[in-house]
Amino acid sequence: GQQVMQIPQYQHVQEGEDFTTYCNSSTTLSNIQWYKQRPGGHPVFLIQLVKSGEVKKQKRLTFQFGEAKKNSSLHITATQTTDVGTYFCACRGGGSNYKLTFGKGTLLTVNP
Amino acid sequence: EAGVVQSPRYKIIEKKQPVAFWCNPISGHNTLYWYRQNLGQGPELLIRYENEEAVDDSQLPKDRFSAERLKGVDSTLKIQPAELGDSAVYLCASSWPWGVETQYFGPGTRLLVL
Repeated sequence: GQQVMQIPQYQHVQEGEDFTTYCNSSTTLSNIQWYKQRPGGHPVFLIQLVKSGEVKKQKRLTFQFGEAKKNSSLHITATQTTDVGTYFCACRGGGSNYKLTFGKGTLLTVNP
Repeated sequence: EAGVVQSPRYKIIEKKQPVAFWCNPISGHNTLYWYRQNLGQGPELLIRYENEEAVDDSQLPKDRFSAERLKGVDSTLKIQPAELGDSAVYLCASSWPWGVETQYFGPGTRLLVL
């Protein structure tokens, strides 16, 4: 079955530093979604990437889909304390395997 | 627009007892999902409904778990009997069945089995 790996598992940064989390799939993807889950909260949709090499930006967040559609990254510029939470990638397989598989997430903590 | 509603928010039961979780999706969302999230892990899909039909229940442990969505709106997930390993957060999500298919998650039910 589809394997999804996210690294790092944890990341602690000083406020103002940049942060990047990476997501890798064992199979080629149809698309990939990113979610954020605040401590004690539920996952909240951030974005979906569909096209090979696609790059999307949301203010300080930059999302990238790999050329082979097997990996993705989320980069946060100049982190703020409001960025604290766990960032999950959710991978949708291609063809008949259309299930959305979540990674284990990267927990980001920010020291003010 | 109201979000996905789940109840109860917390449940503590003893092992071998039954438990049920209820979900009311966002109005108009045909697709409903039940996920289980263990501590430090991502959500794992248990079952997906398109209207009343369970279109993907391959990850549902059918010996003890059951789910229903009788009128294509609300849904109930049941565990009988519960085991210690069932302690987790049970998340319900809903989405439109087309387009971006953004999944909107409810607050979850935190289950503790003693």
